[in-house]
Amino acid sequence: SQQGEEDPQALSIQEGENATMNCSYKTSINNLQWYRQNSGRGLVHLILIRSNEREKHSGRLRVTLDTSKKSSSLLITASRAADTASYFCATGAGGKDKIIFGKGTRLHILP
Amino acid sequence: DAGITQSPRHKVTETGTPVTLRCHQTENHRYMYWYRQDPGHGLRLIHYSYGVKDTDKGEVSDGYSVSRSKTEDFLLTLESATSSQTSVYFCAITGTDNSPLHFGNGTRLTVT
Repeated sequence: SQQGEEDPQALSIQEGENATMNCSYKTSINNLQWYRQNSGRGLVHLILIRSNEREKHSGRLRVTLDTSKKSSSLLITASRAADTASYFCATGAGGKDKIIFGKGTRLHILP
Repeated sequence: DAGITQSPRHKVTETGTPVTLRCHQTENHRYMYWYRQDPGHGLRLIHYSYGVKDTDKGEVSDGYSVSRSKTEDFLLTLESATSSQTSVYFCAITGTDNSPLHFGNGTRLTVT
């Protein structure tokens, strides 16, 4: 089964609102990563947060990590039409361990 | 953009034929991954490599084999393609186990 599971599966919000997506995982990790995928394109890296970090920011993106709950959240503030995409979390334990993706959250920003 | 190229970009093949997809990188990165993406399943790991001749199975490795004889190339082979292997295949690379993945543009494979 997949390590990371995103929630919700789909989300529609008005432009300008904030969007929050969650990711839960099952085993110990070295880091957790968030990616964006626009329709039909490859994945683009957004943020990597290490297991010893609790929060990280990049522009309008904020990621939190709670290793005690084995969960992470991605917050996109002041959403724009261009944020419409699928968002995935990925986890790995480091070293020779695999990097596993969740099924993703489809985000749709309404005009 | 990271130097990563997948070939071919599109392929249509018949059930039972062998197919090889190639991932080529110019970054000298240690780690390389093959994923498949299907509606409702997100990305699923097929095989990955953490060095030349060092490979391991992912979540959905049945029916696939890989080869990494040099740092820059990671080959994914479907020994006898089946319709269930119709998918979009992505290759990804990274230099360390604590760095982001960089993805290729994908190969769309259709098995008829």
